[in-house]
Amino acid sequence: DVKVTQSSRYLVKRTGEKVFLECVQDMDHENMFWYRQDPGLGLRLIYFSYDVKMKEKGDIPEGYSVSREKKERFSLILESASTNQTSMYLCASRRTGGESYEQYFGPGTRLTVT
Amino acid sequence: AQSVTQLDSHVSVSEGTPVLLRCNYSSSYSPSLFWYVQHPNKGLQLLLKYTSAATLVKGINGFEAEFKKSETSFHLTKPSAHMSDAAEYFCVVSLSGGYNKLIFGAGTRLAVHP
Repeated sequence: DVKVTQSSRYLVKRTGEKVFLECVQDMDHENMFWYRQDPGLGLRLIYFSYDVKMKEKGDIPEGYSVSREKKERFSLILESASTNQTSMYLCASRRTGGESYEQYFGPGTRLTVT
Repeated sequence: AQSVTQLDSHVSVSEGTPVLLRCNYSSSYSPSLFWYVQHPNKGLQLLLKYTSAATLVKGINGFEAEFKKSETSFHLTKPSAHMSDAAEYFCVVSLSGGYNKLIFGAGTRLAVHP
């Protein structure tokens, strides 16, 4: 079974703090993704990585950065957390190739910024 | 531009009655399409996918979806709802090329009543 794990299920941080969200996958997938999920908006792509040390901006990258030093690990960084970054964050991975390859999702991290 | 519209934000059915969750897509070609399900406090799980083979796709837990190119639709159905089907469902289109970006619909929350 493909396993995508995220470091925390729930996180509460203060405005201005630097926040790290970690994601690890165990299937040797090349591609990894970070989404945020908000009610009525579905999932929106923040950043993705198609290989180690490679990254591309998604649809809503402002206020976020990422790091991928190892193939299995993809980190999302909130440089200075703000209340509008309160959300559910989902990590996903997939192998590179055709458009029919599915993404496998982690359980999510619910982040609250106060 | 590709897009996905889920026509109902909430659907409520009685246990044992049919389920219909509607999805329309916009694409300039025949895309790959997916349905994902998200149970409360869980990550997204793939229900089924269409990849230009058979137009009627069978998925897990008795769900199926029919790709209708003329109607640009990919509706999800199940003959008989079970209480455990209560969840949020996402219709997703995969873009070809590059990293095969996923475009998510806003989601449909399915409630199942006894």
